Order: sequence, then C-alpha cells, then structure tokens
Amino acid sequence: EVQLVESGGGLVQPGGSLRLSCAASGFTFSDYSMNWVRQAPGKGLEWVSYIITISSIIYYADSVKGRFTISRDNAKNSLYLQMNSLRAEDTAVYYCARVRGSNFAYYNMDVWGKGTTVTVSS
Amino acid sequence: QSVLTQPPSVSAAPGQKVTISCSGSSSNIGHNYVSWYQHLPGTAPKLLIYENDKRPSGIPDRFSGSKSGTSATLGITGLQTGDEADYYCGTWDSSLSVYVFGTGTKVTVL
Repeated sequence: EVQLVESGGGLVQPGGSLRLSCAASGFTFSDYSMNWVRQAPGKGLEWVSYIITISSIIYYADSVKGRFTISRDNAKNSLYLQMNSLRAEDTAVYYCARVRGSNFAYYNMDVWGKGTTVTVSS
Repeated sequence: QSVLTQPPSVSAAPGQKVTISCSGSSSNIGHNYVSWYQHLPGTAPKLLIYENDKRPSGIPDRFSGSKSGTSATLGITGLQTGDEADYYCGTWDSSLSVYVFGTGTKVTVL
C-alpha cells in the first residue's frame, strides 16, 4: 500500500524550532518529487515547499522562506521539514504529499499523509 | 493570500449537480494544468482531477474538470451526502515559482 506518515509535530514556543518527518512506503521514494502543504485553523490549504528527487531543485513559499528547510533522505525513504524561528501563524496541520508531473506544468499531488499538528504558542 | 479565487460555498440537493469555478491568471491557470482536491476535515486531502480533466483511478465519473483560458471548473453530478467537503483547485505559478491553491469551496448537500 502506498503510504505517507508524518511525525514530529507538537507544541513549541514562538521563536522555537521543530523538525517534521514524513516516512514513505509502498513506492519507490527516490523516483518522486515531494512537497509539504499546511492548513492553519479555519483556513485553506497552503503550499509550503517542494523538493525534487535528487534535492537539486527546492522551492519555498514566501511565508516560510529563510526559516524553513526541506530535505530528503532517499536511502531512508524520508522527507523532512526543519522549521526555525516559528511564529504563531505557523500553527497548522502539516501534510506531506507526493508530487507527480513530468515538469511543473503538470504538477499535482496524488498521495497525501494524514498530517501532523504544529502549535506555536507561549 | 491565494491567487486563485473560488466561491466560498455551493449547495444543492442530493442527486443534483454543482459546479465550482476557479479563477486565476496567465502565469498560473493560463500557463499550466489544473488539479482539484477534496478535503474532509481531519483527513488527508484527496486528488480528484489532474491535468485539467483527468481522473485518478477510483474517482467516479460524477466528478469532472475543465479549463478555459485563465479559469477552471469542477463539476459534481449525482450529488451525495458523502460529497460534503472542501474543494480546492491548484496549479503551478510560473512567475512566482510556487504552487498555488484556490481559496477553497465548501460543498453542502441540502
């Protein structure tokens, strides 16, 4: 079964750090680009970051640029999101999702995890 | 702030049809393929439509997608109570180099 399982969420104080993980199974992880998407309470989906198969191309939303770092370990079938200088507005459910598409024009997310909750509060 | 605009909500009786619009610009919808996602609170979002009008395996043909210029539309026919969810369009924005989601539309079955 194709599956993505996020972990690492929790309660953190403003200015703190957290590292999210996403474990992939049931498919050849190294063949797929990956991304993170979040949903703040009462808000819509917000794309956070993208990483290509060999980590050579990475993009971030302006709202997290300079504070978040996406990475992956293909040997461990895992995707990561290092979140630093966290703010209250980063409070959200964070989802990892598999990206399909031969190039960005075809970009879509066909497999999603169930999410992990990050709460930034003092 | 999303660059793709959707109506906040649509509703219809069971068995009826609803359409959800998604309005963008030349740098996103006008330049790239559109996807649609269904999201029930507390669950993982699900891909409904990709490349404007293609359905992944397992998605019933009650769901359809189309695109014209800088706008896209999702149609749901034979509405069921299980279709109550939030629906989002999404595409790559070639000018911003980011993926953009629509503002989201809540579907209510009356």
